[in-house]
Parts: sequence; C-alpha cells; structure tokens
Amino acid sequence: NAGVMQNPRHLVRRRGQEARLRCSPMKGHSHVYWYRQLPEEGLKFMVYLQKENIIDESGMPKERFSAEFPKEGPSILRIQQVVRGDSAAYFCASSRTDNSPLHFGNGTRLTVT
Amino acid sequence: GIQVEQSPPDLILQEGANSTLRCNFSDSVNNLQWFHQNPWGQLINLFYIPSGTKQNGRLSATTVATERYSLLYISSSQTTDSGVYFCALDYGGATNKLIFGTGTLLAVQP
Repeated sequence: NAGVMQNPRHLVRRRGQEARLRCSPMKGHSHVYWYRQLPEEGLKFMVYLQKENIIDESGMPKERFSAEFPKEGPSILRIQQVVRGDSAAYFCASSRTDNSPLHFGNGTRLTVT
Repeated sequence: GIQVEQSPPDLILQEGANSTLRCNFSDSVNNLQWFHQNPWGQLINLFYIPSGTKQNGRLSATTVATERYSLLYISSSQTTDSGVYFCALDYGGATNKLIFGTGTLLAVQP
C-alpha cells in the first residue's frame, strides 16, 4: 500500500515564478492536509481539503497561495510569484477520516533564489 | 488558542538507554498524535492517542486527557531513533488540523 506521494522532492524557483506541488493521498484516504515547515516556525497547518472542496484554508496566506483537490488527480498546492520567504518544506498528509491517524508524504523542499 | 509544550527540548542518550518525552497542553483535546521526524526529514506517525495507553514495539505512549499531558516512552533506544519527536493536537475541531509542539530533538549515540 503506497504511502502519501509528493512530487517533486526538491524544487528551485526564481523570485516571481510559480511553484506547483503535487500530492496523491494514501489509497482509501479522502482527507488531505498541507503543512509548511519553516526552520524558525516549526510545522504549521495551511489547508484542509476533500475531493473538490476546500474545508479549511485558515492557515494559508491570503495572497499568492491556492490549493485544490480535484475529482480526478492529485491535490495541488500552487504558489504564484514566489518570494524568498516561501522557501520551506511543504508536507502533504492524508487520513481516512477527519479524526484518524495522519500520514505524511516525504515533503517538497522549495528553494526560492 | 491552545498551547503545546514539549520537554525536554533536546536529549542525548547512549544506545540501549530508556527515555520519556513529555507533552503538556492547555486545553481539552479530541485528537493527539505523536510523530517522529527522522534526520532525512520524513515524518512518521507513531501514535494516535487522544487518551489511554498504547504500545508499539519499543515505543509506548500514554495520554491523561484530564490532566492535559501525554508521555512518549522509548525503551532500549537505538541510533535509528534519532531525530525530532513532535506531539500534535487538534485546534478544537476534532480534525487533523493540528497544532504541533516545538519538538524534542533526540540524539542516540552508539
């Protein structure tokens, strides 16, 4: 049973470019969460999605960031016009229900130059 | 909002030693989980334990929800146990929207 799959593992973008991070949840999991890990801030919740629905995006910056989990295909975290402060590890996680063990992918390390 | 404190912040052990990591929280919780982030950055779920006691091999965890703390026990530690241990709690909505503690950095020396 494959775990949570994230790609790419590493992503380098120049300031002003767009970053797209992909996540396929574990088989049988319909609840997807994105977290960001900054060295000085630790792991922070960003957004919670189910298929075709954003359930809670209270942790996501209001501008430049968006997330989706379409009916078909992986969940996408999109960052437009990246800035150096966006450099971080972005983790996707999934669970079977909204209150069951949470399983993380290996993360995408975004570096903005 | 809910506060999560972990102790100790860091810990050095000799291989074979036992340890106890603590997580204190400021409000009632419906969802408490322990995670291990290994030196390669992977986050592994160790326990889903909003209350009670669970064991998995050399690891066990106990949450006393009424007293607002959880403990993670590591017995006969191995070098592969090194990394950061996080406890994480729900924000009050009983979902996996979690607030993470600052972690305990564990180094197990051979």
